[in-house]
Amino acid sequence: DAGVIQSPRHEVTEMGQEVTLRCKPISGHDYLFWYRQTMMRGLELLIYFNNNVPIDDSGMPEDRFSAKMPNASFSTLKIQPSEPRDSAVYFCASSPQSGSREQFFGPGTRLTVL
Amino acid sequence: AQSVTQLDSQVPVFEEAPVELRCNYSSSVSVYLFWYVQYPNQGLQLLLKYLSGSTLVKGINGFEAEFNKSQTSFHLRKPSVHISDTAEYFCAVSARRSNDYKLSFGAGTTVTVRA
Repeated sequence: DAGVIQSPRHEVTEMGQEVTLRCKPISGHDYLFWYRQTMMRGLELLIYFNNNVPIDDSGMPEDRFSAKMPNASFSTLKIQPSEPRDSAVYFCASSPQSGSREQFFGPGTRLTVL
Repeated sequence: AQSVTQLDSQVPVFEEAPVELRCNYSSSVSVYLFWYVQYPNQGLQLLLKYLSGSTLVKGINGFEAEFNKSQTSFHLRKPSVHISDTAEYFCAVSARRSNDYKLSFGAGTTVTVRA
């Protein structure tokens, strides 16, 4: 298995632009998570899905952030409009619906908003 | 809600020396506990987890951790570290509820192994 795939790996954009981050979870996994990692705030859960349905979006910072999961093999995290304070590494993780509870992380997308 | 406190932000250690990373958690319900490792410019990887059973848990790369319910702790140990163990280590907690897969992470501990 290729593991969790994220694209792009690096994104540099200007303030005000729309940014879309993409994630392909491990096949057969029922849970998908989006995290943000910064030096100041550490690792924060933004939102997670179960069987493509959003379960908890309480970590989404504000209305500029949105996430979708149109099918079991694809999810997007969109920021519109982007701001410099959104600069961070964004991770996607997936997990099977089993007793293991292990989350498998992708390599991350490093976002820089100028 | 659950929360995690990692008591050391940075731990320098010499190669072949032992290391202990401290983690305390807070929760009003029973929990599952995890340690993840993040190597530079990579995603997180599971080191070990406590779900139930023996309170001494062994993981990958020679790491182990002990769950102490009375102390609400889950400290990570390795008896002899290698240069390749240089990384950031995260303790995480999840509520022991059947449909709650949410993880809360600590702030992380950076381990630097020197020759």
